Amino acid sequence: EAGVAQSPRYKIIEKRQSVAFWCNPISGHATLYWYQQILGQGPKLLIQFQNNGVVDDSQLPKDRFSAERLKGVDSTLKIQPAKLEDSAVYLCASSFLAGSSYNEQFFGPGTRLTVL
Amino acid sequence: AQKVTQAQTEISVVEKEDVTLDCVYETRDTTYYLFWYKQPPSGELVFLIRRNSFDEQNEISGRYSWNFQKSTSSFNFTITASQVVDSAVYFCALSEAPGNQFYFGTGTSLTVIP
Repeated sequence: EAGVAQSPRYKIIEKRQSVAFWCNPISGHATLYWYQQILGQGPKLLIQFQNNGVVDDSQLPKDRFSAERLKGVDSTLKIQPAKLEDSAVYLCASSFLAGSSYNEQFFGPGTRLTVL
Repeated sequence: AQKVTQAQTEISVVEKEDVTLDCVYETRDTTYYLFWYKQPPSGELVFLIRRNSFDEQNEISGRYSWNFQKSTSSFNFTITASQVVDSAVYFCALSEAPGNQFYFGTGTSLTVIP
């Protein structure tokens, strides 16, 4: 079974530029999460989707971050414009279904973003 | 307030030693879920174990075992006979409902010395 796919793996941009990350979850997983992991810290949730609807985006800096999951499968996270403090690894995770007891999340390899 | 605390920042052990990673959590919910993940240098978080709050039985799975104690809000993880491949950052995580976000600790970096 294929795991969570993410691209690109690495991205370097100048501050104030825009960047987009892509995620394809495990087939059949209805729930998709985007996490931000700053160096030396644990991942922190940015946004959670159930199918193509947003469940929780309370920690998403909406003035510069946006995300979509139009067809309930793959998802895109965008930052516009980027700031220095956005340098982090952006992790995508998926799980079978919110509300199911089988709720472990499976993570992709992440995208390491460096903002100069 | 931090929901998950991993007080150990870094641990080094010699190969074949046993090592225990500590995790203390905080929640007001009576039903919740606890997890351990491993993050090797490649960066991908790998699921190791899950525990439901209503099941306090401790288990062993291969070289991994865990000690879940509600009375002290602790969910410690032990690797027996450590190997060099166990070197990674280990994260404890809490979920307060199925499908809800995970609250991660700050991680414990384990180095196993050959």
